[in-house]
Amino acid sequence: ILNVEQSPQSLHVQEGDSTNFTCSFPSSNFYALHWYRWETAKSPEALFVMTLNGDEKKKGRISATLNTKEGYSYLYIKGSQPEDSATYLCASDSGNTPLVFGKGTRLSVIA
Amino acid sequence: DGGITQSPKYLFRKEGQNVTLSCEQNLNHDAMYWYRQDPGQGLRLIYYSQIVNDFQKGDIAEGYSVSREKKESFPLTVTSAQKNPTAFYLCATRGDRVPGNTIYFGEGSWLTVV
Repeated sequence: ILNVEQSPQSLHVQEGDSTNFTCSFPSSNFYALHWYRWETAKSPEALFVMTLNGDEKKKGRISATLNTKEGYSYLYIKGSQPEDSATYLCASDSGNTPLVFGKGTRLSVIA
Repeated sequence: DGGITQSPKYLFRKEGQNVTLSCEQNLNHDAMYWYRQDPGQGLRLIYYSQIVNDFQKGDIAEGYSVSREKKESFPLTVTSAQKNPTAFYLCATRGDRVPGNTIYFGEGSWLTVV
């Protein structure tokens, strides 16, 4: 089983603060790294799929970077808003096996 | 509407009963997955199917069974052999396995043993 670790487990920030969290994954047999946003009572929503070392992707105030050689990815949220409150999941994709998910980082943005 | 439909959304099961969770998709995706989430845990893979009439065990398959008779459908049966079935269950699908292709999730089913 691949081991995907996310930190921190949970995070509370004030509205307007910028924040970031980490996803660590095995760098061997790397195919892609997926980020999802999961709000309570809804389906996880795909944010990014990253495949190349040094990749940086952006979607509004959210961005992510990827280092496949050392096996980590960072997710950044600039100017957090209450609607950003959710659990952020990352998943490692080795190409020929199902995704392996981390436990997620639960973000709470306080107005 | 295109997407993945899971039913029921909430289900209560008595001890010793088998229950079946439905997952239907109209995305024409070959691969389908069942994950389970418990409080404080990540998503753990129960079973998956890459093609019709074929499926494989995931990390926590004991006490569960599946079938894949049609491309659109991948039902999960939680049997009485599953010792701790109370959890949130998510079904997911995936199209062609190419770089950049993500997986899509249903809205989940809550199962509670009473």
